Amino acid sequence: AQSVTQLDSQVPVFEEAPVELRCNYSSSVSVYLFWYVQYPNQGLQLLLKYLSGSTLVESINGFEAEFNKSQTSFHLRKPSVHISDTAEYFCAVSDWGGGFKTIFGAGTRLFVKA
Amino acid sequence: DTEVTQTPKHLVMGMTNKKSLKCEQHMGHRAMYWYKQKAKKPPELMFVYSYEKLSINESVPSRFSPECPNSSLLNLHLHALQPEDSALYLCASSQEGGATYEQYFGPGTRLTVT
Repeated sequence: AQSVTQLDSQVPVFEEAPVELRCNYSSSVSVYLFWYVQYPNQGLQLLLKYLSGSTLVESINGFEAEFNKSQTSFHLRKPSVHISDTAEYFCAVSDWGGGFKTIFGAGTRLFVKA
Repeated sequence: DTEVTQTPKHLVMGMTNKKSLKCEQHMGHRAMYWYKQKAKKPPELMFVYSYEKLSINESVPSRFSPECPNSSLLNLHLHALQPEDSALYLCASSQEGGATYEQYFGPGTRLTVT
């Protein structure tokens, strides 16, 4: 069965500092990995995804994540954060064994301070 | 148009009321989802429709009744809810049901049961 662990419930960071949000997964088959972001009082938006190919995937707003099969990880990084990056970030995993189901991690609250 | 719309934005209902939540997408997506999200928690899957047929029911109590009238619309009928059902209800859609497809989320309906 799939599972996702987000190791940090909250990450406070100063503006323009780098940040890493950690995500580990477990699955017995090939997986597909996603990062979603949820701003206050809004639904979730896809940030980036890994399906196959290059293990480093990037978003349009400067985030990147690296799929590491040996470490079963998909950590999200940004070299310099902005106040506007303050949000809840969810790592998610799906596989063909799970059918239509995507399993979400518990979420990490990124709080960017001025 | 990559938008999923949900109405109403907010709903307050008593435990004896009957109400409905509505969701609409015009992206031609063939899979649609209902999630329940409590504060500071990840979304929990409730129902999945694929090609207008119910594919997944995550053992949701019968006081929640989903309906998919056509490929663009998804309803959630509510009856005799309990205060613990108060939550943000999110609708999502994806191109197809399956592990590789990202989901597009609506902004949610904030439900309060009194």
